[in-house]
Amino acid sequence: QSALTQPASVSGSPGQSITIHCTGTSNDVGPYDLVSWYQQHSDKAPKLMIYDVTKRPSGVSDRFSGSKSGDRASLTISGLQTGDEAYYYCSSYTTSNTLVFGGGTKVTVL
Amino acid sequence: EVQLVESGGGLVQPGGSLRLSCLVTGLTFSNYRMHWVRQDPGKGLLWVSGITKDGGFATYADSVKGRFSISRDNAKNTLYLQLNSLSAEDTAIYYCIRGAATNSWTPFNDWGQGTLVTVSS
Repeated sequence: QSALTQPASVSGSPGQSITIHCTGTSNDVGPYDLVSWYQQHSDKAPKLMIYDVTKRPSGVSDRFSGSKSGDRASLTISGLQTGDEAYYYCSSYTTSNTLVFGGGTKVTVL
Repeated sequence: EVQLVESGGGLVQPGGSLRLSCLVTGLTFSNYRMHWVRQDPGKGLLWVSGITKDGGFATYADSVKGRFSISRDNAKNTLYLQLNSLSAEDTAIYYCIRGAATNSWTPFNDWGQGTLVTVSS
């Protein structure tokens, strides 16, 4: 159950778009459209932002979008805002009937 | 409003045991799969365990298999996690999570505020 691979940090200026990649394997991200993304602000519980690769829960801004190609999933934040500054984690179902997270990416708004 | 309130965390000695509870309100508890996820203070997330709606099947991360046990009481709207043979590596904030209403193990829809477990002598 190795963690999915995410960059440690990504940054962008207000209004710009950024993309966070989440790389897995043929045992997790690859075979299933069951990738989710979570946002965690400092000292808060994580919040679901994207599920099933591309779906947004009610109340989540359409500035957040997800995609997947092969063993790699991506989260794009468009029109970056200061409130988007947080950690972002990807997660996937695995062929072992377990779940795995990425190591987390710190998003900084410059 | 959905609320998940964890309790039972605290300081425990290495080799000891602890039982975490999570009271869920604001929804029909028995309609959802449930999970526990933990987070080392200042570090990333680790999925620990998940359980089906009726409690008939559970799945665990390799790092806790054989030591932790998840269960639920649908009559009490409560999820449990029994932690045995604890070591310092188990020190973390433990989050209770509402999962899917379908037969899927994803996503993690709602999160509690977490309960801190500290394993130290």
